Amino acid sequence: AQSVTQLGSHVSVSEGALVLLRCNYSSSVPPYLFWYVQYPNQGLQLLLKYTSAATLVKGINGFEAEFKKSETSFHLTKPSAHMSDAAEYFCAVSDTGRRALTFGSGTRLQVQP
Amino acid sequence: SAVISQKPSRDICQRGTSLTIQCQVDSQVTMMFWYRQQPGQSLTLIATANQGSEATYESGFVIDKFPISRPNLTFSTLTVSNMSPEDSSIYLCSVEVGQQAFFGQGTRLTVV
Repeated sequence: AQSVTQLGSHVSVSEGALVLLRCNYSSSVPPYLFWYVQYPNQGLQLLLKYTSAATLVKGINGFEAEFKKSETSFHLTKPSAHMSDAAEYFCAVSDTGRRALTFGSGTRLQVQP
Repeated sequence: SAVISQKPSRDICQRGTSLTIQCQVDSQVTMMFWYRQQPGQSLTLIATANQGSEATYESGFVIDKFPISRPNLTFSTLTVSNMSPEDSSIYLCSVEVGQQAFFGQGTRLTVV
């Protein structure tokens, strides 16, 4: 069975500061990993995905994530936070055997001016 | 990629009634997925719908409460039956294309 753990339901950073959102996964087979962002009253938007190619994945809006198999982690980072980054972020996992996504509980990012 | 149209975008329903949500995809897909996002929570998979076969439901979800139709490769419906206030959620349709999941905008359901 797959599972995803997102550490920290709320993260607050100052504008211009580093953003680090943590995600650990559990999967019995090599996983596909995803980060989605959900702005208030909007749908889910894919930020980036890992599908067994390069372990450092670059996404949209300056975000990137690194797949670390030894740590079973896929943390999301951005060097400098912008006010527009305030949103809910979801980490998700799937594998070739189970095509649906298993989502983490989500992390709400606040960006302080 | 895939473009998904979901209808209705939102609805307010009386308890005890049923609502059918429609999901239309702009390309043919084998699997379609239905998720629920309860207020302030993450997404939970309700069921997987394959064309030509019965939907596969996740633990905690049953066909009598959430019947699903999948008449062709581009369309599916989810019905929320005999609704109660606990069913107030966002319901999302999703498909996988090229190792990536695409989501509809969701249906925001409020049961009063």
